[in-house]
Amino acid sequence: GAVVSQHPSWVICKSGTSVKIECRSLDFQATTMFWYRQFPKQSLMLMATSNEGSKATYEQGVEKDKFLINHASLTLSTLTVTSAHPEDSSFYICSARGGGADTGELFFGEGSRLTVL
Amino acid sequence: GQNIDQPTEMTATEGAIVQINCTYQTSGFNGLFWYQQHAGEAPTFLSYNVLDGLEEKGRFSSFLSRSKGYSYLLLKELQMKDSASYLCAVMDSNYQLIWGAGTKLIIKP
Repeated sequence: GAVVSQHPSWVICKSGTSVKIECRSLDFQATTMFWYRQFPKQSLMLMATSNEGSKATYEQGVEKDKFLINHASLTLSTLTVTSAHPEDSSFYICSARGGGADTGELFFGEGSRLTVL
Repeated sequence: GQNIDQPTEMTATEGAIVQINCTYQTSGFNGLFWYQQHAGEAPTFLSYNVLDGLEEKGRFSSFLSRSKGYSYLLLKELQMKDSASYLCAVMDSNYQLIWGAGTKLIIKP
């Protein structure tokens, strides 16, 4: 099946710094990628929908100036957590819709665990 | 509003069968997904139903009734490695995924 790779898997940073997480579709082109956040013992929460070549669509309550999303190519989307604080510590997961079909299967990255000290 | 309901936690015995139910109320319907998620890992795709009926894939089967807004995931011949959270998600008319809170399945020997 299609592969989505996320990097880094783990990141620890100091409060106030910025962290960039990459999401790559390795063997298919993804016009749409999704970014999720998951706090311990909670379900996935969609943060934003990233469309190649256009601005991301953010879910209500997600600060677009804090969580910068760039989808510059059909195989790469990045999420930058700017001026990270301890409350931003979470598991961040990306997914991409494969095959170009609107109801195509979603493929998930491995996830990136962010810890802000 | 949009709502996905599934039990918080279930317990079953190794070798047995378990059924995890999911009911939904969404703005439109473009399919229902089941995902498995082990602790600390990303979800993995299990099944996708868009038409009524049962889809079987090895030990796992998924059923959908669109008129009832209901689905279930059936796991047979349970193994210890099946201990995980099982997430039900519905794609609405805008092709957005609406996620349930997940069902934590505990398998006992």
